Amino acid sequence: EDQVTQSPEALRLQEGESSSLNCSYTVSGLRGLFWYRQDPGKGPEFLFTLYSAGEEKEKERLKATLTKKESFLHITAPKPEDSATYLCAVQPSGNTGKLIFGQGTTLQVKP
Amino acid sequence: NAGVTQTPKFQVLKTGQSMTLQCAQDMNHEYMSWYRQDPGMGLRLIHYSVGAGITDQGEVPNGYNVSRSTTEDFPLRLLSAAPSQTSVYFCASSTRAVGKNEQFFGPGTRLTVL
Repeated sequence: EDQVTQSPEALRLQEGESSSLNCSYTVSGLRGLFWYRQDPGKGPEFLFTLYSAGEEKEKERLKATLTKKESFLHITAPKPEDSATYLCAVQPSGNTGKLIFGQGTTLQVKP
Repeated sequence: NAGVTQTPKFQVLKTGQSMTLQCAQDMNHEYMSWYRQDPGMGLRLIHYSVGAGITDQGEVPNGYNVSRSTTEDFPLRLLSAAPSQTSVYFCASSTRAVGKNEQFFGPGTRLTVL
C-alpha cells in the first residue's frame, strides 16, 4: 500500500535555529515527490518537486533532498515568516496525477 | 491567470441537503482533483480526472459525485450531506507534461454539515 509518513508532527524553533523535516514513503514506483507549504486558512502552495534519489532543490532558506525511502526538507536559519505547515506528497507511477499526502509538519519559528 | 478558483468559500448545510462545490482553472490543465482535509488526517483524494469526460474514484469517494464536461471545470456534488462530510475541500489541477506534474491548489471551501 502506498503510504507517506511525516515527522515530527510539530516543531518549534527559535529564529536562526536550523533543522530538518522528514518524509518517509513507500510507493509502487515513484513518479515524483512534492513539498508544499500551507498557511492557516489557505490552500497548499507548491515548493519543490524531486524525481530521483540524490536530487536536491533549493529555494531561499529551504533545501529538499531525496533518497529511495525518504525526503528531507532542511530549513537553514529560519525566520518567523517560515512558520507554516509543510506537506509532503508522492505521485505513484502511472499517468493519473494522483497524489498521496502525509499528515504534515507544523513549524513554528519564534523571534 | 486566476489559477484555480473555488466557490463558495464557506457553506453550512443541514443533514440530507445536497449541494455542488465549484472548481475552475484557467491554465488548460488536463488533470484535476478533489481532496478533503481533516485535522490529523492530511489531504485525502476524493475523485480525480485525467481529462474532459474521464473521472475516477480516489481514496474516499463515497457520498460524492463528479463530472468533467469541459477542461476548465470540475464540480463536486454532495448528494445527501452528512455530518461526516464536514471538512475543508480543496480542488487542484496539473498538467500531464513530464517534469511539470506539480499540482496547483485552490483556496478551499470550508463546509459544515449540521
